[in-house]
Amino acid sequence: AQKVTQAQTEISVVEKEDVTLDCVYETRDTTYYLFWYKQPPSGELVFLIRRNSFDEQNEISGRYSWNFQKSTSSFNFTITASQVVDSAVYFCALRTIIQGAQKLVFGQGTRLTINP
Amino acid sequence: DVKVTQSSRYLVKRTGEKVFLECVQDMDHENMFWYRQDPGLGLRLIYFSYDVKMKEKGDIPEGYSVSREKKERFSLILESASTNQTSMYLCASRQTGLFQPQHFGDGTRLSIL
Repeated sequence: AQKVTQAQTEISVVEKEDVTLDCVYETRDTTYYLFWYKQPPSGELVFLIRRNSFDEQNEISGRYSWNFQKSTSSFNFTITASQVVDSAVYFCALRTIIQGAQKLVFGQGTRLTINP
Repeated sequence: DVKVTQSSRYLVKRTGEKVFLECVQDMDHENMFWYRQDPGLGLRLIYFSYDVKMKEKGDIPEGYSVSREKKERFSLILESASTNQTSMYLCASRQTGLFQPQHFGDGTRLSIL
């Protein structure tokens, strides 16, 4: 079965702290795609990043960075020097061929609160 | 930028009513999706469509139907609304291609009284 686990239900930190959101996935497919989305209080899910299973290169975009490790089936997301505007629910998602390429399996989400 | 527009941000309806939720995208995407989001249950796929007049059931289609008469518009229909359909509904679209992300609308918070 395809599954995404975000074990951290809620995280609360003080502004300027670094914070890492964990994502662990399960799939037997060798070709798969991973995504991160941000859902601010306004409700819209905003696409942040995607990765395919053949590309383990980590990525940095400003204060955001992503660490993809196939050996541990993890795709973790780090925010450096967090800001209040980073407060949101963050979702990790998985797409595989086996389950039908149209479907995205979402984790339960991690609610991140950045306190001033 | 991709724009996915849902017709209402907030909607209140009564039990037994027929409810229409509308979604329009402006990027000529082939694929469109309807999800519902509930606390503790995450996002669950209701229906999706990969072409005009085509539809497929997602994980929780019971009590819902959909319509896609035009490529840019995907409607979710609650045939006879019930209180357990009170939820946040999210529409998404994407281009064909396994690596293409889904782009979401702002969501409709639907309350069934």
